[in-house]
Formats: sequence, C-alpha cells, structure tokens
Amino acid sequence: AQTVTQSQPEMSVQEAETVTLSCTYDTSESNYYLFWYKQPPSRQMILVIRQEAYKQQNATENRFSVNFQKAAKSFSLKISDSQLGDTAMYFCAFILTGTASKLTFGTGTRLQVTL
Amino acid sequence: GAVVSQHPSRVICKSGTSVKIECRSLDFQATTMFWYRQFPKKSLMLMATSNEGSKATYEQGVEKDKFLINHASLTLSTLTVTSAHPEDSSFYICSARDPGVDSPLHFGNGTRLTVT
Repeated sequence: AQTVTQSQPEMSVQEAETVTLSCTYDTSESNYYLFWYKQPPSRQMILVIRQEAYKQQNATENRFSVNFQKAAKSFSLKISDSQLGDTAMYFCAFILTGTASKLTFGTGTRLQVTL
Repeated sequence: GAVVSQHPSRVICKSGTSVKIECRSLDFQATTMFWYRQFPKKSLMLMATSNEGSKATYEQGVEKDKFLINHASLTLSTLTVTSAHPEDSSFYICSARDPGVDSPLHFGNGTRLTVT
C-alpha cells in the first residue's frame, strides 16, 4: 500500500517570501505520479503541479517548483514570491500509473500568507 | 480543458431522508470516477471507486448500503446517501480521470451535506 506523509500541519510565510512544503511517500512501485493540490477556502481542489516519477527533471509551474528526490521518496513544493492568494490547504498526492489507480493524499499543510 | 461538474453544491436534509449527489464529466468520458469525503480541516478520504457498467468498489469501513453509487453512463456517477443521519454531514467530492490525457484527476467542486 502507498502512503503519503506531510509532516507540517501548518506553515506561515510573509508575502513575497519563499516557502517550502514537505512531503514524503512510500511505495514499492517504480511508475507513478506525484501531485500537489491546493484547496482554498472555497474547497475546490486545484492542481498546482505534477511530477512523473520517470522524469529526473523537477517540475516547475511559474512560482511553483518541486524538489523530487526519488531515492529518498521525497517531493517538496517550493512557492516563490508568495501571494495572499496562495493561502490554502496544500495536499501532496500519489497515484500509480493506470487508469483505475487511486489517488492517495497526505494529511495536508495549511499555509497562511501574511502581509 | 476537462471539467467535472458536481451538483448540488450544498444540500440540507432531514434525518432519515436520502440525498443524491451527481458527478458529471463534461467533455470527456470517464470509465472510472472516485468519491471522497472530507471532514473539516482534514484530508480527503476515498470512499469508493465508481466503475461504469459495474459495481462500485468500496474502501474498507465504508457502508455500501449507506452510500449507494451508480455509474450508469460514461459521463455520470451518482452518490446517494440513504437514510441520512447528522453524522453523515460532511463535504463530499468526486473526481474523474480523463483517459485520453496523461493522467491528472479532475475534481468536482464538492457538495456540502448538512443533515438536521
């Protein structure tokens, strides 16, 4: 079974600063995807960034980037130039390849961006 | 892009009644949809996997007779909370995977169920 661990229940960062959210996972499989989802107060799940396990290059999406360490089974999210709109719950998630695979979520990190 | 529509967004019902929540994939066909439940300030808990044309696969601890899932077409899955009780009050979210694209799961906007 796959597990996803987010060890930071809450984090705070000042506007324009950089923050890193941690995520580790455990699996015996080699083909999978990793995701970071954002859930603002509206409760909508928004895909922030994803990483294919077979790719060594870290994914980036504008101000969001990941540090993917496959051997260490680590997948951290870096948010640069933090904005007030980044305030949300952030969930790390894992899914094996295959259309019927289930998405496994971490427990989430509540990020507060302050002035 | 692919969109998943979930309806209703909010529903209030009385104890003992049943509530149906719909999840539709709007521009793709989804042979598999997923239903999650989320308690306040908690993560999403997978309840069941909805399979088009066959029975749903429920996660351990989820009551099949309480949470009825029907996936009658490639674009629609429904979750019916039967004989609802206040402890069923929660946020329910569906998701669907676009098989034509390299992976991501698309989420509905969720349904907040309140049982009085």
